[in-house]
Amino acid sequence: EAEVAQSPRYKITEKSQAVAFWCDPISGHATLYWYRQILGQGPELLVQFQDESVVDDSQLPKDRFSAERLKGVDSTLKIQPAELGDSAMYLCASSLTFTGQETQYFGPGTRLLVL
Amino acid sequence: SQQGEEDPQALSIQEGENATMNCSYKTSINNLQWYRQNSGRGLVHLILIRSNEREKHSGRLRVTLDTSKKSSSLLITASRAADTASYFCATVYNNNDMRFGAGTRLTVKP
Repeated sequence: EAEVAQSPRYKITEKSQAVAFWCDPISGHATLYWYRQILGQGPELLVQFQDESVVDDSQLPKDRFSAERLKGVDSTLKIQPAELGDSAMYLCASSLTFTGQETQYFGPGTRLLVL
Repeated sequence: SQQGEEDPQALSIQEGENATMNCSYKTSINNLQWYRQNSGRGLVHLILIRSNEREKHSGRLRVTLDTSKKSSSLLITASRAADTASYFCATVYNNNDMRFGAGTRLTVKP
């Protein structure tokens, strides 16, 4: 069964350093999502792509976070500089289309710890 | 915030018992989805129920939706230790905006 791949699974960094997360969605899925999940809370959408275009990045802290999906396939989320409050699980998900009626398929996540 | 709110925050039951989790929301939705998350892992989709549906079943899962009360419930029957996880409702609004609640942490004791 096809899965969403994410790497790394775990990342420890010091504050002010740069970090990057990678996501490879299920083949053929046009829509890709990045979520941040703080311990004990539900996922919060950071950015949503339709193919290579950003559909929603209203919750992305643009002063330090950036995301790209250059060829409309895999995607990278970057944080520079990292802050202590960025410690969280970063989840990537994909769906076939973007109608609101479809299932989102999640990757295993990248757990980030900022020291 | 538009996100749904789950209740209870945590639930502990014995294997074989039924588990019921509730989700309430504030504005009209297009559909509501339930997801499960095992500790430290990604989310897995369980059921999607549309605003014009009242009940859906999938194996041991039963989801109801009451749009007049703006609430949904997830029932897991004959629970197993493997059902131990966090369960999230996600409300999808007519602008396709999807918001997750804070989740219910279910513990099923063997």
